[in-house]
Amino acid sequence: KQEVTQIPAALSVPEGENLVLNCSFTDSAIYNLQWFRQDPGKGLTSLLLIQSSQREQTSGRLNASLDKSSGRSTLYIAASQPGDSATYLCAAENSGGYQKVTFGTGTKLQVIP
Amino acid sequence: EPEVTQTPSHQVTQMGQEVILRCVPISNHLYFYWYRQILGQKVEFLVSFYNNEISEKSEIFDDQFSVERPDGSNFTLKIRSTKLEDSAMYFCASSGPGSGLFDAGANVLTFGAGSRLTVL
Repeated sequence: KQEVTQIPAALSVPEGENLVLNCSFTDSAIYNLQWFRQDPGKGLTSLLLIQSSQREQTSGRLNASLDKSSGRSTLYIAASQPGDSATYLCAAENSGGYQKVTFGTGTKLQVIP
Repeated sequence: EPEVTQTPSHQVTQMGQEVILRCVPISNHLYFYWYRQILGQKVEFLVSFYNNEISEKSEIFDDQFSVERPDGSNFTLKIRSTKLEDSAMYFCASSGPGSGLFDAGANVLTFGAGSRLTVL
């Protein structure tokens, strides 16, 4: 059974700092890994998806990496802004096709102006 | 940008009552899902739906739960007799224009804003 863990659970940084969020998963036979953002009272917004054959994906100030062999993914946020404050979730898909994804515990990020 | 819409945004119900949560997925998507998040806990998979039938369900999705796509646009989750522990945020999601398992674009899950269910 896939278990996904995120460290740290909460993070507070000053505006402008670069930061790294960590995600680990126990079953390395994943189909893909997605990073989501969750704002209070709102849904989940997909940020980046990394297929199992890929090592990283980039979108703007975000860069996600995937190391299947070690069961780890990181989300790097460059030049953080107060608008980046949210909870970040990683989710691993094992089944393929029907996307039963297993979510991590989340990292609550606060960027202080 | 296309979005998944959910109604109601918040529903309060008495224990034992039936509840129907509604979702309108993105129009060209073929895969539909329900997830839930109990306050302070992880987002959990409930059920996936494809080609008018359940393709996978979790152990949470017992006989109290059912899903339906009644009219080709709506996707509903019914809880037959609500329990206190059913209080959670329920998220609908959809994906895939059906172009194949190896199309990265087809695998991005688009979530709705959620329906908060409070069972008293």
